[in-house]
Amino acid sequence: EAGVTQSPTHLIKTRGQQATLRCSPISGHTSVYWYQQALGLGLQFLLWYDEGEERNRGNFPPRFSGRQFPNYSSELNVNALELEDSALYLCASSLFQGAGETQYFGPGTRLLVL
Amino acid sequence: GQQLNQSPQSMFIQEGEDVSMNCTSSSIFNTWLWYKQDPGEGPVLLIALYKAGELTSNGRLTAQFGITRKDSFLNISASIPSDVGIYFCAGTRAGGTSYGKLTFGQGTILTVHP
Repeated sequence: EAGVTQSPTHLIKTRGQQATLRCSPISGHTSVYWYQQALGLGLQFLLWYDEGEERNRGNFPPRFSGRQFPNYSSELNVNALELEDSALYLCASSLFQGAGETQYFGPGTRLLVL
Repeated sequence: GQQLNQSPQSMFIQEGEDVSMNCTSSSIFNTWLWYKQDPGEGPVLLIALYKAGELTSNGRLTAQFGITRKDSFLNISASIPSDVGIYFCAGTRAGGTSYGKLTFGQGTILTVHP
């Protein structure tokens, strides 16, 4: 069974541009989560989608947004890119069963903002 | 925001030695997860713990969910060179702004000398 997949693997943008990152969850999983892993800052929760709805978001500005499609895949959009947005963006999925679900991660998209 | 305190930050050991790392929090967690991350890749789930006091093994790895629900440890027995990587603890809490998201520790960098 395929794991979580993400595309592209690498993305290079310049300040002010927009970036779109994509994620396909494990088959049967309805929840998708996005995390940012910036150098030296650890993994920080960005967004959680379940059944097409945004369920929770982390402490990030509104220019970080996303959506979940009917097939449960998801995209993360980052508008007005800033240098400090350079990071590894990780997507995870789970079969949501309430608090305590186990999240499985994809390989990530490495975003570099110049 | 809520932090998990993970220690040690790094470990340098000889092949064959046992390893122990732990995570603590000032708050109660419903789930404790342990992940391993290799450079440039996404975190891979090692062990998931769902109940206070639970002790779970996965090959040479053993992890426990603390009785107070505020801590967890991971042990690796008889380390081998492929154990090299960064180990993260993560937890989930119920309710409010914590709903659905994983909170991560800062990571333990493990180096194994042959």
